[in-house]
Amino acid sequence: DTAVSQTPKYLVTQMGNDKSIKCEQNLGHDTMYWYKQDSKKFLKIMFSYNNKELIINETVPNRFSPKSPDKAHLNLHINSLELGDSAVYFCASVKSGQGIGNEQFFGPGTRLTVL
Amino acid sequence: GQQLNQSPQSMFIQEGEDVSMNCTSSSIFNTWLWYKQDPGEGPVLLIALYKAGELTSNGRLTAQFGITRKDSFLNISASIPSDVGIYFCAGRRFKTSYDKVIFGPGTSLSVIP
Repeated sequence: DTAVSQTPKYLVTQMGNDKSIKCEQNLGHDTMYWYKQDSKKFLKIMFSYNNKELIINETVPNRFSPKSPDKAHLNLHINSLELGDSAVYFCASVKSGQGIGNEQFFGPGTRLTVL
Repeated sequence: GQQLNQSPQSMFIQEGEDVSMNCTSSSIFNTWLWYKQDPGEGPVLLIALYKAGELTSNGRLTAQFGITRKDSFLNISASIPSDVGIYFCAGRRFKTSYDKVIFGPGTSLSVIP
């Protein structure tokens, strides 16, 4: 009965490779996010999708491309991986509308290590 | 851009002690959130605050929405070892839940048994 799940949990890859990480939520939420947490634990939003439409797109290299096939899924594809992409990537979801009692749920994270 | 500051950056306390941490911003927020992140896990929401001056408790945790709307405080009473983790404050300008949430840099809490 996992709420927000991510795969894989760990990803180790060589510089220059292309990789994808996936996120799924079974909460009936309509908005999903990708965050990057660096080695200093700073959480920074990357993208947000509401009903499969991109609504937040922070300054992220073009090598990162999110895709939302439906409201329950948000994937992140990364091309030409660089050393600086090493981080923990968190997916989160929320149901849009008035915020009271209705805040983001986070997934367990995907730790990406680029060698 | 909008930025949040948290203090202290880290804390080492004895089990049983009370803990206070705060979060400040140069911008006004209409929602303040406190999350806790355990090692190897994603952040989990502890307390959400929606009104200036609001004081809300969740067990041994109490948080307040500052009256200026530019700060928030979190207190933990009678700390226990499982309180160890990183505590993030987060602010949102608008009440709509899909609006961007800005996270602070976190306060790392260590509890010595």
